Amino acid sequence: DTAVSQTPKYLVTQMGNDKSIKCEQNLGHDTMYWYKQDSKKFLKIMFSYNNKELIINETVPNRFSPKSPDKAHLNLHINSLELGDSAVYFCASSPGRNYEQYFGPGTRLTVT
Amino acid sequence: QQPVQSPQAVILREGEDAVINCSSSKALYSVHWYRQKHGEAPVFLMILLKGGEQKGHEKISASFNEKKQQSSLYLTASQLSYSGTYFCGTEDQAGTALIFGKGTTLSVSS
Repeated sequence: DTAVSQTPKYLVTQMGNDKSIKCEQNLGHDTMYWYKQDSKKFLKIMFSYNNKELIINETVPNRFSPKSPDKAHLNLHINSLELGDSAVYFCASSPGRNYEQYFGPGTRLTVT
Repeated sequence: QQPVQSPQAVILREGEDAVINCSSSKALYSVHWYRQKHGEAPVFLMILLKGGEQKGHEKISASFNEKKQQSSLYLTASQLSYSGTYFCGTEDQAGTALIFGKGTTLSVSS
């Protein structure tokens, strides 16, 4: 009974391809997030959704598009992948703003 | 604006204490602390809110000086399990994006 799950765990693809990462939480939380952690371990917020509504959209290229079909799911679609997109992508959820965030196990994306 | 953490790295023996600092150039609404072990996801430790409210674990303590825009995480009687990278994340207003520092790597040996 994993709280926040992500698929796939590893993703290796070539430049120019389109890929998706899925995230699901079974904690009943209202808020979900996508973070990117680069090779230097810098953890950066990308998007945040509250009750399926986008509330935070940091300066992320338009090639990245989040989609929240329901409160329990937040997927990330990436178009025209570039070498610089290689990183670990973490999904997280929280009961609301100013509460602790629960992170998924991460998806390691490698673009060749 | 990204908060600044210090020190960058700490090496301890079991039983020793450590303090990790986090400072911002902007007024802060909250400070969050997370620990990440190698190859794993970040795990929540503590939230400190403007006004003094704290939410977190019993065995870890932290302080938040709103005037100085600084927070410190206190790890006492360190155990091997404390090893990992500690991140502080800051919000300058309620409900805004959490901005994480670059992390402090803590290594505890027996």
